[in-house]
Amino acid sequence: QAYLVQSGAEVKKPGASVKVSCKAFGYTFNFNTYTMHWVRQAPGQGLEWMGWISAGKGYTKYAQKFQGRVTITRDTSANTVYMEVSSLRSEDTATYFCARNGLGAGGRDDGFDIWGQGTMVTVAS
Amino acid sequence: EVVLTQSPGTLSLSPGERATLSCRASQNIINSQLAWYQQKSGQAPRLLIHTGSRRATGIPGRFSGSESGTDFTLTISSLEPEDFAVYYCHQYGNSPLTFGGGTKVEIK
Repeated sequence: QAYLVQSGAEVKKPGASVKVSCKAFGYTFNFNTYTMHWVRQAPGQGLEWMGWISAGKGYTKYAQKFQGRVTITRDTSANTVYMEVSSLRSEDTATYFCARNGLGAGGRDDGFDIWGQGTMVTVAS
Repeated sequence: EVVLTQSPGTLSLSPGERATLSCRASQNIINSQLAWYQQKSGQAPRLLIHTGSRRATGIPGRFSGSESGTDFTLTISSLEPEDFAVYYCHQYGNSPLTFGGGTKVEIK
């Protein structure tokens, strides 16, 4: 059974950077086949898409809001993707989720079928 | 950017009742690439429906999705106690990907 495990909670000061990891289990043979997304959720708020990475070729795309401040990378040998946010500010306090882009028959895009447990990042002085 | 507007914001119902949740898109969504997720407090979202109306693996038959143009609907035919949660729609056909603001289904 496929699942994703994220790194633990972080507390950072404004201006610092944070890097969150997301390790895949249960489908590692096909890890390169999938696209991985990052989504965040501020306390008591809704979901916000941040960007994605193709696990195989490493192509990335970011929401305009995060362009230049967020970097998504992957290590295929470790079946792990990473998301780094720089120049942190208080508004970045949120739970960050990684999610796998599901693949259906004929390569059909099936939404985000597997999610990590979430990583709480708190930005406070 | 495709804006998804969910209504109502909160739905107060009793177990056994039917829940109808709406998600209206500001423009057409390519290939009906709209999904519904359920999120309980302190948990990650769970995929219920993708491609407008296809149930995800392991999702009970009481959950169904439908679409009419830019209007999408999630129906829970008979609410079980574990269905009280927040539901989000999400479009992944147009970049940037976007989510609706959510509908909370609470016990009446």
